[in-house]
Amino acid sequence: DAGVIQSPRHEVTEMGQEVTLRCKPISGHNSLFWYRQTMMRGLELLIYFNNNVPIDDSGMPEDRFSAKMPNASFSTLKIQPSEPRDSAVYFCASSQTGEETQYFGPGTRLLVL
Amino acid sequence: AQKITQTQPGMFVQEKEAVTLDCTYDTSDPSYGLFWYKQPSSGEMIFLIYQGSYDQQNATEGRYSLNFQKARKSANLVISASQLGDSAMYFCAMREGRGNFNKFYFGSGTKLNVKP
Repeated sequence: DAGVIQSPRHEVTEMGQEVTLRCKPISGHNSLFWYRQTMMRGLELLIYFNNNVPIDDSGMPEDRFSAKMPNASFSTLKIQPSEPRDSAVYFCASSQTGEETQYFGPGTRLLVL
Repeated sequence: AQKITQTQPGMFVQEKEAVTLDCTYDTSDPSYGLFWYKQPSSGEMIFLIYQGSYDQQNATEGRYSLNFQKARKSANLVISASQLGDSAMYFCAMREGRGNFNKFYFGSGTKLNVKP
């Protein structure tokens, strides 16, 4: 299996621009998680989906962040407009209901100038 | 209160020795799961080991074991026979809840350095 796939791996953008991060979960997994990792705040869960439905989005920092999962094999995390404080590594992870292990993607390193 | 507490920001261990990384958790949910992940300098998050709250035995995976003390709410990771490749950040994490609705929390991590 290819594992969780994230794109892009690196993104540099200017403040105010829209940023879209993409994730393809492992085939057959029905839970998908978006995390953000920073030095200051550590690893934070932003949102997670089960069977394409958002279950808990309490970690989404503000309205500038949105996430979608239009089908079982694709999810996006969008930041509009982006700000320098959004600079972080964004991880996507997936798991299968009934199994506890979350498999992480390689992450997207975002830098907002 | 912190859901997951890792009190050791950094640890050193001599190669081939065992090391224990501490983790305490806080939950009132009877059903929860505890995890450890490894994050090497390359940045990826690697799942190491899992312990369910109802599991009677401590989880083991190769050189990794989880010392689960439910009454103390601790879930320490023990790495036996440390190797240079074990140098990394280690995160303790918890899932609480049941069914499709769960909450997930990560600790602040412990940076392990294995000395040759």
